[in-house]
Amino acid sequence: RKEVEQDPGPFNVPEGATVAFNCTYSNSASQSFFWYRQDCRKEPKLLMSVYSSGNEDGRFTAQLNRASQYISLLIRDSKLSDSATYLCVVTVNTGGFKTIFGAGTRLFVKA
Amino acid sequence: SQTIHQWPATLVQPVGSPLSLECTVEGTSNPNLYWYRQAAGRGLQLLFYSVGIGQISSEVPQNLSASRPQDRQFILSSKKLLLSDSGFYLCAWSAGTENQPQHFGDGTRLSIL
Repeated sequence: RKEVEQDPGPFNVPEGATVAFNCTYSNSASQSFFWYRQDCRKEPKLLMSVYSSGNEDGRFTAQLNRASQYISLLIRDSKLSDSATYLCVVTVNTGGFKTIFGAGTRLFVKA
Repeated sequence: SQTIHQWPATLVQPVGSPLSLECTVEGTSNPNLYWYRQAAGRGLQLLFYSVGIGQISSEVPQNLSASRPQDRQFILSSKKLLLSDSGFYLCAWSAGTENQPQHFGDGTRLSIL
């Protein structure tokens, strides 16, 4: 089982749709959680951190369920510019800490 | 604010040639530094990370090496490139405290001919 697993995708949605990305992690010692966005042939960029109480940034909402070891990202009113690959990222305390990137879910938003 | 610079942006090298990619960070001290490789359509593969000057941890055995001669400088090298070394190389930094997000440079697209 992979340490961080994401929906394989791709997701194809029309503009204005709501889209949800799911991510599960296997290590209960995981401590911090992030969502990144990566455009084609570009570097990953931090989209948002994920806090235990859940957090929102404009059209983006991130949630964490530690009991189920599950993270989600919700995008409301999707725009063409939201088309990208979304990476779930987890840091694990293994004595030192380790950052694990999910393989990513590709999103295509179409007019 | 902190910035990360990585160069060159694109590189075409023949098989068997040497490699040197450089990454520098500004606006912070004692960052954690990372080198990743991403093959086309694939996820990120951690190659090396460093928590301080001269401290390098290797994640994947290969013909690449890394060095950190200064606090905010991270270099990826190879003496003889292989075809399989082609890919998108990304440098990243994070704050020295635990559990902080990583921030990436623009990347170097390396093609081996």
